[in-house]
This record gives sequence, C-alpha cells and structure tokens, in this order.
Amino acid sequence: GNSVTQMEGPVTLSEEAFLTINCTYTATGYPSLFWYVQYPGEGLQLLLKATKADDKGSNKGFEATYRKETTSFHLEKGSVQVSDSAVYFCALSNTGNQFYFGTGTSLTVIP
Amino acid sequence: DTGVSQDPRHKITKRGQNVTFRCDPISEHNRLYWYRQTLGQGPEFLTYFQNEAQLEKSRLLSDRFSAERPKGSFSTLEIQRTEQGDSAMYLCASSLKGRNTEAFFGQGTRLTVV
Repeated sequence: GNSVTQMEGPVTLSEEAFLTINCTYTATGYPSLFWYVQYPGEGLQLLLKATKADDKGSNKGFEATYRKETTSFHLEKGSVQVSDSAVYFCALSNTGNQFYFGTGTSLTVIP
Repeated sequence: DTGVSQDPRHKITKRGQNVTFRCDPISEHNRLYWYRQTLGQGPEFLTYFQNEAQLEKSRLLSDRFSAERPKGSFSTLEIQRTEQGDSAMYLCASSLKGRNTEAFFGQGTRLTVV
C-alpha cells in the first residue's frame, strides 16, 4: 500500500538555524512526492515537488531530493526564518486519484 | 483565477443536524478531492471526482456522508445526522489530470458539532 511517515514534532529552532524534517514513504510503483505547508487556520499550500528518482524540488530556500534507494524525501533549509513557522506535510501520489499525507511536523522558529 | 474556494469557512451545528459544504475548484481542473483533517493530524482522504464521476471513496466515509459534483464544476459535501466526532476541518482540493500533478487546496471549512 501507500503511506508516508514523518518525523515527530514539534521542532523548535532559532532563526538562521539549519532545518531537516525527515520523510520516508512506502508506495507501489513510482509515486510523485510533495511537501505542503500549512499556516494556522489555513489550507495546505504546495511548497515543492519531485516526480522521479533523484529529482530535487526547491522553493523559497527549501529543498528535498527524491531518494528511491532509501524511499525518502527529506525537507531541508539552510537558514530558517520566523516566517517559516508552520506545519509541514510530506505527501505522495501514485495515480493522481489520491494524495497520501504524513501526520505533519510543526516547526516553530524563535528570533 | 483565485484558487480553490470553500464555503462556509466555519460552521457550528447541533448534533443530529445536516450540514452541506461547497467547493469551487480552479476552473480548468477536472479532478476534485475532499479531505478531512483533525487537530494534529494530516489530511485524511474522503473522496475523489474526475469531472462529474465519483471514482474513489474512502472506506472511512460512512453512509451519512455524501458528495456530488454535478456538471463537473463545483462540488458539495453533505453530512447527515451530524455527530460530535464529525468535528474537523474539511478540505477541498483540485488538480489537473495527470500522474505528476499537484493538488491545490482551499482554505477549508471548520465544522464544530455541539
């Protein structure tokens, strides 16, 4: 079956610290992988995506590389800002009929 | 296009009442999804439409839940005889057809059953 496992939160970092949020997946076939971000009281916004092995998705300083050999799609950012405080969700889609989400990782960045 | 629009944003209802939510997807998107999200959890799949056809439905979707997408445009999600356990954020998303396309989410409807 299809599933996504994310590292447990919450994560608290100081501004300008390095961020890693781990994500591993189980899937049949060759899924597309996504990171979404959710701000309080809002829906989910796409942060980045990768559609095949070794692809790197990037946006707003965030990056994630699709690693088929380790079934991982870890999210990284070199220097976080207070405005990055949010909940981050890793997700996969195989056929486009359904997106499978992890449980989310809450990030708080303190000045 | 302003993105996926959901109405209402908030709904408080008494247990046992029926509620209906509306979703207007991005106009050229033929795929539409409904998800439910409870506090501290990831979105949980409810159902999926391609155009007007409901192609997938979660086993978690009890017979009190029904969704429609007449004419393949907007969609409605109805919950009959609401229960306190139905309290959650209901998210709608849409996407273009294709294996690798991302879903665009609305801001959600927060339902509170009292």
